[in-house]
Amino acid sequence: EAAVTQSPRNKVAVTGGKVTLSCNQTNNHNNMYWYRQDTGHGLRLIHYSYGAGSTEKGDIPDGYKASRPSQENFSLILELATPSQTSVYFCASGDDRGLTGQLYFGEGSKLTVL
Amino acid sequence: GQGVEQPAKLMSVEGTFARVNCTYSTSGFNGLSWYQQREGQAPVFLSYVVLDGLKDSGHFSTFLSRSNGYSYLLLTELQIKDSASYLCAVRVAQGGRALIFGTGTTVSVSP
Repeated sequence: EAAVTQSPRNKVAVTGGKVTLSCNQTNNHNNMYWYRQDTGHGLRLIHYSYGAGSTEKGDIPDGYKASRPSQENFSLILELATPSQTSVYFCASGDDRGLTGQLYFGEGSKLTVL
Repeated sequence: GQGVEQPAKLMSVEGTFARVNCTYSTSGFNGLSWYQQREGQAPVFLSYVVLDGLKDSGHFSTFLSRSNGYSYLLLTELQIKDSASYLCAVRVAQGGRALIFGTGTTVSVSP
């Protein structure tokens, strides 16, 4: 069973603080993604990675950094959190052949920035 | 610009059907996926279509018309547990950043 796990599942941060969201996948997929989901916007791509050591900007990368130290792990980093970054964040993995169009999502991390 | 559009809400009755529409206007097309997302949970993959026509997967079917930039997900013999959001996502190219998601359609099934 494909598995993507995220931590923490819930986080409350203060404005200006640093937040790190972690993601681990056991699917041996090359591609990993970070999305945020807000009412009225659907899933929006923040950063993605093609493999260990690679990070690429998605559609809304401002205010976020990403790190892919290994095939299994992909982190999203908010150096200076702002209230506008309050959202639910989803990590996903997928194979790079795209033959099935399937992404495997983690359970989500709810971030509240006060 | 590129866009994937879905109606926000859809209401239906248990035992009947619901058709969730998705229209897209993108610079490329390499397939379209449907996901189900229950409240407070992760999206779960349902189906992927690349060729025109109807694809039957039992409890649901998916239709694609590439010339019209249109797809739908047809849920039949609705059950209360089918109440969820359904997301459409277009793959515009091969490679990592290729998926563009619609905002999702919330389907509410009443007794």
